[in-house]
Amino acid sequence: QPVLTQPTSLSASPGASARFTCTLRSGINVGPYRIHWYQQKPGSLPRYLLRYSSDSDTQQGSGVPGRFSGSKDASTNAGLLLISGLQSEDEADYYCAIWFRSTWVFGGGTKLTVL
Amino acid sequence: EVQLVESGGGLVQPGGSLRLSCAASGFTFSSYEMNWVRQAPGKGLEWVSYISSSGSTIYYGDAVKGRFTISRDNAKNSLYLELNSLRAEDTAVYHCVRESSVGVIITFGDYWGQGTLVTVSS
Repeated sequence: QPVLTQPTSLSASPGASARFTCTLRSGINVGPYRIHWYQQKPGSLPRYLLRYSSDSDTQQGSGVPGRFSGSKDASTNAGLLLISGLQSEDEADYYCAIWFRSTWVFGGGTKLTVL
Repeated sequence: EVQLVESGGGLVQPGGSLRLSCAASGFTFSSYEMNWVRQAPGKGLEWVSYISSSGSTIYYGDAVKGRFTISRDNAKNSLYLELNSLRAEDTAVYHCVRESSVGVIITFGDYWGQGTLVTVSS
């Protein structure tokens, strides 16, 4: 079982909100981890969106709009990326990452379709 | 302006070797940890290796451990990755990626280089 699991795809309508999940493997508690999130549009480099550990320990990437935010769901042991007011330009792949046992681990990525 | 420019990729036969370089500018290179991250065509991101700002601490992903070697030259503002015993599954774009730490607070991937393509094929 991978350390981080992300759904393969997500669809949402313009103006709506999108909720991305990054679920940690059973036995790894999401609580202490800082979850990093990245956006990658086709043909472009990954862009650092934000880092979230708690509401008091979070960092927005440079130039990243406030409609991108992070959270955690302890009940599902997942880190969350929330995008409100979806725009067509938000269509991209979204990856999460954590520092785990002296390695960086990425989730498999979620492809967002805005339709 | 922060810039990371990779070079050294190319076509290599299975079992062959390559040396990738990453030239950094626009920031104090010696103050930052650095990583290599790769992305196979049409696939997701895969972390490859980490090196501390001084070069004294190094980590590797399981897929490359024992075959790849990361290093840096702070006097030349450069990061390197030596790739040996290459396999078809190592085919990917290799990016150098900046990491910064302030105490225990780490920011990973605030800057990425454009990458250099490594193709392993006979």
